[in-house]
Amino acid sequence: EVQLVESGGGLVQPGGSLRLSCAASGFTFRTYAMSWVRQAPGKGLEWVSIIGTSVGNTFHADSVKGRFTISRDNSRDTLYLQMNSLTAADTAVYYCAKAEGYCSDGTCYRYFDYWGRGALVTVSS
Amino acid sequence: EIVMTQSPVILSVSPGESATLSCRASQSVANNLAWYQQKPGQAPRLLVYGASTRATGVPARFSGRGSGTEFTLTISSLQSEDFAVYYCQQYLDWPPYTFGGGTKVEIK
Repeated sequence: EVQLVESGGGLVQPGGSLRLSCAASGFTFRTYAMSWVRQAPGKGLEWVSIIGTSVGNTFHADSVKGRFTISRDNSRDTLYLQMNSLTAADTAVYYCAKAEGYCSDGTCYRYFDYWGRGALVTVSS
Repeated sequence: EIVMTQSPVILSVSPGESATLSCRASQSVANNLAWYQQKPGQAPRLLVYGASTRATGVPARFSGRGSGTEFTLTISSLQSEDFAVYYCQQYLDWPPYTFGGGTKVEIK
């Protein structure tokens, strides 16, 4: 059974930093791309970041580019999201998601087939 | 960036009736379209990918259709557990992956 368990959320002051972790189990972690998706209180879903299976293959939404960094440790089956320079607009539940899909002509097309329960990040003074 | 627009925002349906949700993309996404269900306090759950393929364990009463820019998710004979918010997501043109704003299916 696929399981994704986020941790590291909490209350942080504006301008502060936080690192989220996502412990994966039930599948061969190193062979799947992984992503973070967030949801502000009472709002819809917003894709944040994705990391491929290869080192350095990362992409971020413009809203977090330069502030957030996605990474992974395949030896620990763990996904990370380092969040710096946080603002109130970053307040959200952050979901870790396993990416599935297909690749064609060097481009991969992915949806998210399993999600964790989420970690709440609150940015407030 | 491809903008995904869902309609209606709220859909009131009686149990046992069917519901049809719409999702429109600002440009063609071919069949690279997924649907998710989210219940209060829970994570999203994948229902459909490839516009029409049900995910593992999803009941047959959920059916997805469409290609290009127009998509629908139909839930036939709504059960109590189907009242939730539904999101569509395109995965053709990324980054960013983009979601629709959601349709809330509520009990009439």
